[in-house]
Amino acid sequence: QQQVKQSPQSLIVQKGGISIINCAYENTAFDYFPWYQQFPGKGPALLIAIRPDVSEKKEGRFTISFNKSAKQFSLHIMDSQPGDSATYFCAARGAVGAAGNKLTFGGGTRVLVKP
Amino acid sequence: KAGVTQTPRYLIKTRGQQVTLSCSPISGHRSVSWYQQTPGQGLQFLFEYFSETQRNKGNFPGRFSGRQFSNSRSEMNVSTLELGDSALYLCASSPSGGRDEQFFGPGTRLTVL
Repeated sequence: QQQVKQSPQSLIVQKGGISIINCAYENTAFDYFPWYQQFPGKGPALLIAIRPDVSEKKEGRFTISFNKSAKQFSLHIMDSQPGDSATYFCAARGAVGAAGNKLTFGGGTRVLVKP
Repeated sequence: KAGVTQTPRYLIKTRGQQVTLSCSPISGHRSVSWYQQTPGQGLQFLFEYFSETQRNKGNFPGRFSGRQFSNSRSEMNVSTLELGDSALYLCASSPSGGRDEQFFGPGTRLTVL
């Protein structure tokens, strides 16, 4: 199976708060897990990505936590800012060769950061 | 470096017509993937081209086709348009199609009336 499930569908957070988005996958052949941020009228932009050989990756205010045994990964946005208001997508990709460069996306989470 | 460019940005067609969308990848990138984005189905993979060859294809009917040229530019074509084909069509490029990041263009918004 190639499904990636993302939750919640939307969330509202106060400025300075923490936004947490969760994703779960089924296919153990996935070996690359990126997160994309999309603003209205724009294409998705890569935010941060992780491979299953590490359990956590941090870039600035954005952190990915990865649990290989549970087949789950999550995005934490620390000190959320109004400019972070966007739709966030998790994705997964299989090992190149088996599935080329195909990304399987979660359903998206609309984040609203209130000032 | 210029990003991924897609033309046109907006398109209105009627049912039964066909449409061609164009994507110019980042200079030096050889892999181009296409995705369809709709509110109901989210982001779905259409196909990927690498070195002018289709390497992978998603679960879309044969009305959806594509090609890649020697300069890595890609086009996708949708024939016999249906109302359900209304969507944002996104193109993404990556350097070699290996373990690379994919960079998305702004998309082409297709509306089918």
